[in-house]
Amino acid sequence: AQKVTQAQTEISVVEKEDVTLDCVYETRDTTYYLFWYKQPPSGELVFLIRRNSFDEQNEISGRYSWNFQKSTSSFNFTITASQVVDSAVYFCALSEASGAAGNKLTFGGGTRVLVKP
Amino acid sequence: DTGVSQDPRHKITKRGQNVTFRCDPISEHNRLYWYRQTLGQGPEFLTYFQNEAQLEKSRLLSDRFSAERPKGSFSTLEIQRTEQGDSAMYLCASSPGTGRSEAFFGQGTRLTVV
Repeated sequence: AQKVTQAQTEISVVEKEDVTLDCVYETRDTTYYLFWYKQPPSGELVFLIRRNSFDEQNEISGRYSWNFQKSTSSFNFTITASQVVDSAVYFCALSEASGAAGNKLTFGGGTRVLVKP
Repeated sequence: DTGVSQDPRHKITKRGQNVTFRCDPISEHNRLYWYRQTLGQGPEFLTYFQNEAQLEKSRLLSDRFSAERPKGSFSTLEIQRTEQGDSAMYLCASSPGTGRSEAFFGQGTRLTVV
């Protein structure tokens, strides 16, 4: 069965500092998809990034960047130059290609990020 | 607003009562999911629809829970004989019917059973 672990429960930083969120996953599938979602206080989960297991290229999108390492089953996420509006709970999630349930997601426990002015 | 919408946003009910939640997915999305999120935890999968067919149910979905998606459009999630342990945020999400694209979530229905 698949599993996602986010070891950091809460991170507090001062505005403009970088924040790196750790994510480790377990799956038996050779093809899978990894996601990061943001959940602000309003409650809605907002999609941030998606990565396929067969593409280990790391990318940067604006202030977001991610480091996908298949060898260590890690999918870490970095917010550069954090802002107060980045304060939220961030979830790492996994979707297996072989699953019957479409794009069913398995979520980690979340990391609460608090950015102080 | 063309996103996923859920109704109601908040529901307080007495233990033993039945409740029903509604989800309207993004119109062109064939896939619809229900998740449950308790305080301080990540969302947990409950059930999945492909159009009107319910293709998978989690073991979390006890006999008191039932979900429908008539005509493959909106979906309802009903909880019968609510218990205090049912208190949680119930999230609905939808995604396109092909490929492995991301799911888009609604703002959820927060259920409190007193």
